Amino acid sequence: DQQVKQNSPSLSVQEGRISILNCDYTNSMFDYFLWYKKYPAEGPTFLISISSIKDKNEDGRFTVFLNKSAKHLSLHIVPSQPGDSAVYFCAASFGSNDYKLSFGAGTTVTVRA
Amino acid sequence: DADVTQTPRNRITKTGKRIMLECSQTKGHDRMYWYRQDPGLGLRLIYYSFDVKDINKGEISDGYSVSRQAQAKFSLSLESAIPNQTALYFCATKSSGGGEQFFGPGTRLTVL
Repeated sequence: DQQVKQNSPSLSVQEGRISILNCDYTNSMFDYFLWYKKYPAEGPTFLISISSIKDKNEDGRFTVFLNKSAKHLSLHIVPSQPGDSAVYFCAASFGSNDYKLSFGAGTTVTVRA
Repeated sequence: DADVTQTPRNRITKTGKRIMLECSQTKGHDRMYWYRQDPGLGLRLIYYSFDVKDINKGEISDGYSVSRQAQAKFSLSLESAIPNQTALYFCATKSSGGGEQFFGPGTRLTVL
C-alpha cells in the first residue's frame, strides 16, 4: 500500500503564475521529506527537502510547506517558468540518512507560455 | 561526464531470457540502490547495498538479483524475464554521511 500519495497526476499552469503541488502521507513516523524533479529520458534530480522540525523551507523560487497534523506537504513554484515543465515526485523517509525513500506516483507539470 | 551511468539505456528482450542492467558511479558513494518506475506507482525499491559485502532486499525483490562488484558498480539481473518486469529502472547512489540520493538516467526495459 502506497504510503506517499500524489493525487493529482497532472497540473497545467500559465508562465509566471504559481504552481502548487500536493502530497499526502499515511505513516506518521516519516520525518524527512523531499521533492525530486524528472525530465523525460533523465533520472530524477533532487529539488528541495524539509525536516519535520520545520514547517517551511525555501530555495529560490521553490518553497515546501509541511503540515504534520494533516500529514500533508506542498511544493510552491513561484513564478513558474517553461523549464519547470517536468514530473515532480514527493518522497519521504525516516530521518535524513535513512536508507529508503518512499515515493509518490508523481505529478506532471506543464507550464504554458 | 555523468556521475551515475546506466547501461543499456534501452533494452527489448523476450520472456524467459536472462538480462543484466549495469550501474556505475564516480561519486565515491558507498550506498547504491535499484528502483523501478511504473506508471501510476512512482519509484519502488528493488535492492540496496551499503557496501560491497552488504546487500539487502527492498520491497519488490522477487524475480531480481544483484551483484556489487566494486564500490562503484552495482548490477541488477533478471534471471528469467517476464512481461510484468517491463518498466523504467533507475540506479541511485547516496553517501552514508547524509544528503540526497543521486539517480542515473534510467534503463527502459521491455519484455515481450
